[in-house]
Amino acid sequence: DADVTQTPRNRITKTGKRIMLECSQTKGHDRMYWYRQDPGLGLRLIYYSFDVKDINKGEISDGYSVSRQAQAKFSLSLESAIPNQTALYFCATSRPTGTPIGEFFGPGTRLTVL
Amino acid sequence: GQNIDQPTEMTATEGAIVQINCTYQTSGFNGLFWYQQHAGEAPTFLSYNVLDGLEEKGRFSSFLSRSKGYSYLLLKELQMKDSASYLCAVTTVSGGYNKLIFGAGTRLAVHP
Repeated sequence: DADVTQTPRNRITKTGKRIMLECSQTKGHDRMYWYRQDPGLGLRLIYYSFDVKDINKGEISDGYSVSRQAQAKFSLSLESAIPNQTALYFCATSRPTGTPIGEFFGPGTRLTVL
Repeated sequence: GQNIDQPTEMTATEGAIVQINCTYQTSGFNGLFWYQQHAGEAPTFLSYNVLDGLEEKGRFSSFLSRSKGYSYLLLKELQMKDSASYLCAVTTVSGGYNKLIFGAGTRLAVHP
């Protein structure tokens, strides 16, 4: 079984629609992240959460919101999707302290906004 | 500001050696990661350097020079399956936590 899962894996939607991307993990990590990836731009952090009661904006949070429903679940919402939010979205997790071990990534959600 | 540079594309021959460079300018440096990412898939961890020097792991090695803001990933005995993007990511300490900043990635094509 995958340690970090994302649903849906692919989604096509129209401008103005509300979209929710979901992420679940079985790694027992406290920290969870949402990134988007665009060609030539690399991965950019949208939001991150250290635990259920801690939510922080990343570098490109405008137009997005998140919900940390439980330690294992972190959802990303686009309240009113627009075409430039077409991208590959990754959820990631990491352990909280000590030597950074990097982040473990989910399989990604390919979102297309028409 | 924070800046990470790596070449956009590289090509190499099966069986050869290739070196992918990464230069960075960041504040609060706390380590550098290399990830491999096949097209349409998730990045997967390759290596982590926090001290100067070379870390070797099988066919892959990673080097770091903190004073020069420089790292490279060395891939030996290239295989076709090594065709992928390689992401350099720097850990910076910001607001008391380690934050990863990614470069745009280097797309490596291995040909026979």
